Formats: sequence, C-alpha cells, structure tokens
Amino acid sequence: QKEVEQDPGPLSVPEGAIVSLNCTYSNSAFQYFMWYRQYSRKGPELLMYTYSSGNKEDGRFTAQVDKSSKYISLFIRDSQPSDSATYLCAMIPGTGTASKLTFGTGTRLQVTL
Amino acid sequence: DVKVTQSSRYLVKRTGEKVFLECVQDMDHENMFWYRQDPGLGLRLIYFSYDVKMKEKGDIPEGYSVSREKKERFSLILESASTNQTSMYLCASSFRRNNSPLHFGNGTRLTVT
Repeated sequence: QKEVEQDPGPLSVPEGAIVSLNCTYSNSAFQYFMWYRQYSRKGPELLMYTYSSGNKEDGRFTAQVDKSSKYISLFIRDSQPSDSATYLCAMIPGTGTASKLTFGTGTRLQVTL
Repeated sequence: DVKVTQSSRYLVKRTGEKVFLECVQDMDHENMFWYRQDPGLGLRLIYFSYDVKMKEKGDIPEGYSVSREKKERFSLILESASTNQTSMYLCASSFRRNNSPLHFGNGTRLTVT
C-alpha cells in the first residue's frame, strides 16, 4: 500500500463548479501538507502549503487537513478552464526534511466550458 | 519568483550514451533535487544535495549519478542510458530549513531509443 493515495481521475466538471480533490495517507507522522498544480508539459508549481490540521484559504482555493482521518482536501470554487491541470498532494513528517517529501500520483482535472 | 531552469525540454539519446541533465536555480537555495516522473508511479526521488559537493541517494539512484560543483547548479548524469530511463526528469530546489517547500523546473523529457 502506498503511503499517499490519490485518485488519478480524470475528473471532469463544468465551468463554475466547486471541485473537491482529495488524498489519504497512512503515516501519522506527516505534519506539513502541500498541493501542487502541474500543467501539461510543465513542472509542478506550489499552490498551497499548510501545517497540521485545519483550513487555509487563498482566493478560490481552500486546503483542508483532517489528521484524525488522515485525509486532506483541496477545494476550488468557481472553477475555470485554466484550472485544468493535474493536482498533486505532497506531505512531510514533522521532523523531516524536504528529502522526505512524499507525493501522491496526482489527479487530472478537466474544467469544461 | 523562484526560477529553476532545466537546460533541455526534450532530449533523445541512444542506449549506452552518457547523458547530462543540467539544472540551475537563482534563489540561493541550499537544497537541490532530481526526480523522475512516470505515469502511475508519480514523482520518485533520484538524488538530492544539501550543499555544494554534497549528495545523498534518494529512492531510485541506480544508474544515475550527480554533480554539484556550485550552489546554483545541480547536474544529473546517466552513465549509460537505457530504455527504462525514458522519463520526465524534474529538478527542484528549496531552502535548507526543515519543511521548506520545493520549487520545480519545467522538466526534461528524455527518450532513450
């Protein structure tokens, strides 16, 4: 079983929809959680960075961490075609360095007009 | 903005060739990383470096070596390219402090024939 599980999709939604992307994990030591967005033929870019449990909002994006359930989510409000990309979750243990960063395999999102 | 630049976007090499992939970052980051990204397998860490002339093996170092002679530059070397090294190669960098997020380049798509 992988340490971090992520549904590969593709997830197809109409423009304006609320999108929910999720990851589950098995290592309770993970404390730092990230979401990266990767457009086709590009490198991943950091979208959200959170510590421990709770919510963080940035514009149309909200990251949510539920450590008791080992479950993290990224919500996108008022989705746009420009949000079409692959979204990768990533996490690091509390005492870990960036070399211990563990990625999900990514969920491909398609926002249609 | 952090800039991580990979010298080639696409490379085609023959089996047995020695291949050099170059990466330069302009944010004075101490840490630099090489990942490969394959469908269904996600990102896998090949090597990382936390200082000039320092290197550490990642999860899949076999068949690869690295060089870091200057802080801003990190090279990945395929000593004798094989077809199973056909992949997307991503360079990343970060500050040394724990849990500092990674910033990625746009990748090099390597095909070994």
